[in-house]
Amino acid sequence: NAGVTQTPKFQVLKTGQSMTLQCAQDMNHNSMYWYRQDPGMGLRLIYYSASEGTTDKGEVPNGYNVSRLNKREFSLRLESAAPSQTSVYFCASRTTGTGELFFGEGSRLTVL
Amino acid sequence: AQTVTQSQPEMSVQEAETVTLSCTYDTSESDYYLFWYKQPPSRQMILVIRQEAYKQQNATENRFSVNFQKAAKSFSLKISDSQLGDAAMYFCAYKVTGGGSNYKLTFGKGTLLTVNP
Repeated sequence: NAGVTQTPKFQVLKTGQSMTLQCAQDMNHNSMYWYRQDPGMGLRLIYYSASEGTTDKGEVPNGYNVSRLNKREFSLRLESAAPSQTSVYFCASRTTGTGELFFGEGSRLTVL
Repeated sequence: AQTVTQSQPEMSVQEAETVTLSCTYDTSESDYYLFWYKQPPSRQMILVIRQEAYKQQNATENRFSVNFQKAAKSFSLKISDSQLGDAAMYFCAYKVTGGGSNYKLTFGKGTLLTVNP
């Protein structure tokens, strides 16, 4: 009954370091998403993957890359972290039909 | 581009009272979904209620109900008999039906609800 699983839950980086946020879902959903949440800004879409093998930019893609490894997994990579990327990151997946998103628990990233 | 506006950054309500959170959206589409998500201090995003635009009847889920006014592009959430556990950030979200770029969900900036005992 895992749903959407994100790792790590917390991470502190120094400016210029790289890291990958991992996301996996076990609900056989086609679509997967990465959002960032910042105070007063709501949730903003970074990248999404409508189906296995496809990825598309969202509102705020600069500084990020993604990989849809297979139907279950969708990773988000920061190649050279910047303080502006300090945020809480959410992975989500979506069933067809209802449009509802199922979210992971979030990953808090701090870039010093 | 679609936008979702939540005009109330913060709201408060007394326990057992009723509170209404506002949401408006801008779209030229006729068929879409609207959602309210709740984010308690645990940070987990939880779906509260969903409305399909083609349905005239307002959605209800126990103490939660919506007032969907399609012509006015308004989608408010009413919480009846408020409980301490309702304290959370509430997000309104919009999604056009169908595929392609319509896979994106757009969120408002949120309303922080405080429930006073």
